[in-house]
Amino acid sequence: DIQMTQSPSSLSASIGDRVTITCRASQSISDALNWYQQKPGKAPNLLVSDASNLQSGVPSRFSGSGSGMDFTLTISSLQPEDSATYYCQQSLTVPLNFGGGTKVETK
Amino acid sequence: QVQLVESGGGVVQPGGSLRLSCVASGFTFRNYDMHWVRQTPDKGLEWVAFIRRDSGQVYYTDSVRGRFTISRDNSRNTLNLQMNSLRVEDTALYYCAKEERFRVNFALWGQGTLVTVSS
Repeated sequence: DIQMTQSPSSLSASIGDRVTITCRASQSISDALNWYQQKPGKAPNLLVSDASNLQSGVPSRFSGSGSGMDFTLTISSLQPEDSATYYCQQSLTVPLNFGGGTKVETK
Repeated sequence: QVQLVESGGGVVQPGGSLRLSCVASGFTFRNYDMHWVRQTPDKGLEWVAFIRRDSGQVYYTDSVRGRFTISRDNSRNTLNLQMNSLRVEDTALYYCAKEERFRVNFALWGQGTLVTVSS
């Protein structure tokens, strides 16, 4: 099985800050990596697919990058509505494992 | 309106059974591969099962294989998860999720249905 490790597990940043979340796969997954945002009481929402393809309707301050084993989700200028938990998920092979999540709070 | 609506969750004793359903609307259900994903506060998000759009291929996570069965009825726009021999550790919020066409992701989620396994 491919294990996904996210860091940090939580962070607090100011409005307007650049925020970076990392995700590491236990083996190379090429670009088979998706990112999700989940707000309390809601289902996850797909932000980025195939490592860097921003979903329609997702603000352009979000971006994804990386390939192989190391990936990054960046929020270029943190906004209050970005407070949420973010998950990475590998899509190369079953089981389609998720990372443990990164909780982002705004100061 | 494009949406997925789950039902069938509840409280069941260990060893019991439940059948979850997910009704799709607003898109051509038969064209999309579907999944079940569950979530707990302790273990986070966990992929459970996959079914191809024509039901010709199914996959399960190891912990549910042999106990859970995923199925679909394309004529009724419905995805199902039959859960037998339930364990305490199956307690979770269960989501159905739809892939994008030709992409392995969870592009659309339902609101979830809660399964509690407890004596």
